[in-house]
Amino acid sequence: DQQVKQNSPSLSVQEGRISILNCDYTNSMFDYFLWYKKYPAEGPTFLISISSIKDKNEDGRFTVFLNKSAKHLSLHIVPSQPGDSAVYFCAAPWENGQNFVFGPGTRLSVLP
Amino acid sequence: NAGVMQNPRHLVRRRGQEARLRCSPMKGHSHVYWYRQLPEEGLKFMVYLQKENIIDESGMPKERFSAEFPKEGPSILRIQQVVRGDSAAYFCASTPLPGAYNEQFFGPGTRLTVL
Repeated sequence: DQQVKQNSPSLSVQEGRISILNCDYTNSMFDYFLWYKKYPAEGPTFLISISSIKDKNEDGRFTVFLNKSAKHLSLHIVPSQPGDSAVYFCAAPWENGQNFVFGPGTRLSVLP
Repeated sequence: NAGVMQNPRHLVRRRGQEARLRCSPMKGHSHVYWYRQLPEEGLKFMVYLQKENIIDESGMPKERFSAEFPKEGPSILRIQQVVRGDSAAYFCASTPLPGAYNEQFFGPGTRLTVL
């Protein structure tokens, strides 16, 4: 049973426009979420996080929104750049607090 | 400050052989996590170790797989008698502190191919 879901395997966006990547979770005990970005042949790198006491966290072009009632979060990238083309993973701590569970990822392609 | 190191980057094994994957965490980090990524899938947690201790191995297959993080040296993920289904990218990550509220720093991964 997937506790963290990313239902869009891929997304294409024009350069300069907004990219919106979605993530849904099933475990209402999750209280912290992270987004990771992964380029081919490299390990994931941390991008941005959000605690459940907030509904928004912003860092430059990246903003994460959290809707606890809907168990949904989204990552907004604006304006999108070709260098943003990568796979984006949503992650949440496990119930035991020892580790993360990752979503399957969304492949973003930003077209010049 | 070097990042998380993994070697080898690529490993080819025939069915039945053993695979040893190494992970050197970032300097000052004493917590290591191993993940597996199958083709077209996300990262799946395997095991969480501290120096000389396995804290959580709930994601690791019960047979053929083992992990260690000795007092000195890298963490080792060992797969005995590999099968084709073990072909995947294996990533390790490290953190300076325990618990899931710390950003994990990932290595570049080891891509295992089983012929």
